[in-house]
Amino acid sequence: DTAVSQTPKYLVTQMGNDKSIKCEQNLGHDTMYWYKQDSKKFLKIMFSYNNKELIINETVPNRFSPKSPDKAHLNLHINSLELGDSAVYFCASSQASGPLAETQYFGPGTRLLVL
Amino acid sequence: SQQGEEDPQALSIQEGENATMNCSYKTSINNLQWYRQNSGRGLVHLILIRSNEREKHSGRLRVTLDTSKKSSSLLITASRAADTASYFCATSRYNTDKLIFGTGTRLQVFP
Repeated sequence: DTAVSQTPKYLVTQMGNDKSIKCEQNLGHDTMYWYKQDSKKFLKIMFSYNNKELIINETVPNRFSPKSPDKAHLNLHINSLELGDSAVYFCASSQASGPLAETQYFGPGTRLLVL
Repeated sequence: SQQGEEDPQALSIQEGENATMNCSYKTSINNLQWYRQNSGRGLVHLILIRSNEREKHSGRLRVTLDTSKKSSSLLITASRAADTASYFCATSRYNTDKLIFGTGTRLQVFP
């Protein structure tokens, strides 16, 4: 069974389009994250949600809007895609937030290419 | 930038040799974690060391932490071709679940 799953795995789209990436975890975790990994492999957190509530928003452009319908799902919607949005986007989850947050479990990634 | 630095950026060794990767960070931490990323895949957690610990072992992995120097090292003993991957350190500060990742070390183990 896949613990953290993301769809789609690959996404190729034109500049200016709007797209969504979905993430689901079956680990029963309270906290979910979105990370962006650029072409140089730098991995940076974008958002964190705990029990459907936004905890971390790392000065990401407001074209990116996360949505958590329930604590097992965290989707990422991107409006007006730009070339610089091309990257691999990883979803992750962990058991608790705050000072007890520890291991994060990552999804396989969504490779986004904006043409 | 808050991002940690890893050293070396790339490392090539023969099977059976040991591989050592170093990580330096900038702020006080609650814990430091090491993750592995195989090519084209997600990150997999390897080991976590808390700020009050100095050394931790897990199988062929040995992690050290020196909070006075704000640095950590990951040693993989008796490396295997299957250890070929990128290795990232990540730090967690108190009262936050935000992980700050290092720049990664690409390890290539030749059979």
